Amino acid sequence: AQSVTQLDSHVSVSEGTPVLLRCNYSSSYSPSLFWYVQHPNKGLQLLLKYTSAATLVKGINGFEAEFKKSETSFHLTKPSAHMSDAAEYFCVVSGRANTGNQFYFGTGTSLTVIP
Amino acid sequence: GAVVSQHPSWVICKSGTSVKIECRSLDFQATTMFWYRQFPKQSLMLMATSNEGSKATYEQGVEKDKFLINHASLTLSTLTVTSAHPEDSSFYICSARVWQDNSPLHFGNGTRLTVT
Repeated sequence: AQSVTQLDSHVSVSEGTPVLLRCNYSSSYSPSLFWYVQHPNKGLQLLLKYTSAATLVKGINGFEAEFKKSETSFHLTKPSAHMSDAAEYFCVVSGRANTGNQFYFGTGTSLTVIP
Repeated sequence: GAVVSQHPSWVICKSGTSVKIECRSLDFQATTMFWYRQFPKQSLMLMATSNEGSKATYEQGVEKDKFLINHASLTLSTLTVTSAHPEDSSFYICSARVWQDNSPLHFGNGTRLTVT
């Protein structure tokens, strides 16, 4: 079985300070993990993905995430928050392709950036 | 690459009418498309999964006769909300993927449906 837990429903940071959005997963298989961002009234945009290659994954807009199997975590980070980063972020886990089209979404973390 | 276009972006309709939402993969062939519904301040709720050329698989609690899904080609899926009621008002999002290991979901920009 697979699941994903986003530990914070809301995170607030000051502009220019680091961002940390936490995600823990549970998977019976070697998972694929994704982070998506959603701005108001928009669809989801892929920030980055982990697919069993390098454990430190770099994405768009300066975001990166580190896959830690021992901690079953895939936290999203950014060194310096920008006002445009204010949005909803979703952590998503999926199994191998041959297990079907199963994608499991976290409940989302709302990021507020304070000027 | 991997662009998914969803239309319309918003629609207002009267109670009892039907509304069709289109989801197109513009630069790739989507073997599978998904339809979601999103309530305010909540995560996405999967409604159904559709594979090209076959019937959609609906999630438990989703009325297949009310939410008609057609996936006639590798680049187009449609969701028709039939006999819409105010409680169907919501944000609907589609996504698409290629059937290969580790491929991510690519999302449309969503459709805001308001039923009056």
